[in-house]
Amino acid sequence: DGGITQSPKYLFRKEGQNVTLSCEQNLNHDAMYWYRQDPGQGLRLIYYSQIVNDFQKGDIAEGYSVSREKKESFPLTVTSAQKNPTAFYLCASSTPTGGSYNEQFFGPGTRLTVL
Amino acid sequence: DAKTTQPPSMDCAEGRAANLPCNHSTISGNEYVYWYRQIHSQGPQYIIHGLKNNETNEMASLIITEDRKSSTLILPHATLRDTAVYYCIVKIKETSGSRLTFGEGTQLTVNP
Repeated sequence: DGGITQSPKYLFRKEGQNVTLSCEQNLNHDAMYWYRQDPGQGLRLIYYSQIVNDFQKGDIAEGYSVSREKKESFPLTVTSAQKNPTAFYLCASSTPTGGSYNEQFFGPGTRLTVL
Repeated sequence: DAKTTQPPSMDCAEGRAANLPCNHSTISGNEYVYWYRQIHSQGPQYIIHGLKNNETNEMASLIITEDRKSSTLILPHATLRDTAVYYCIVKIKETSGSRLTFGEGTQLTVNP
């Protein structure tokens, strides 16, 4: 089955530790995205990547880093510089149809709790 | 991207139509209206999008007013599984990757 996987579903870390969230897609999509969601709020864009070896900061990139070494993978590292890392993290991917990007496909999310 | 305004919550009886409104009075000519929904603790799911004509797919219908300043998402026969937060997003179509800006959406609760 094609889709986006994120692992793990729940993640606990101690304050001051870096942690890497996994995102893998087998949809052959060009673009991938990372969003953060806090309770009762909408999604905010952290980073996005349109092609391999290239990525751009979103609206709240401070304290995060990404890499895009393979088309299928877009891991997100939450560094110790991120002041409020506890949140629900969502990965998405998209590809152009008819010359434009219409739909983003989302993974199931990773709920990160920093103790 | 244009700002959208949605009611924070709505209720609907199972089997009835759910009509979710969205105001986007500052929408510009090249901006589309997109709808996503998010069931609790899951990733958002794309529903439908449109520019100025009404659109329909297997999930929903999208009605856009003639002046394009507002739209309505219609779920014709709501089920309990349609309980979710519904997001209305207005943005231009991009040819090099698209950014979605999610507001707080409308919490739709479908009651038995």
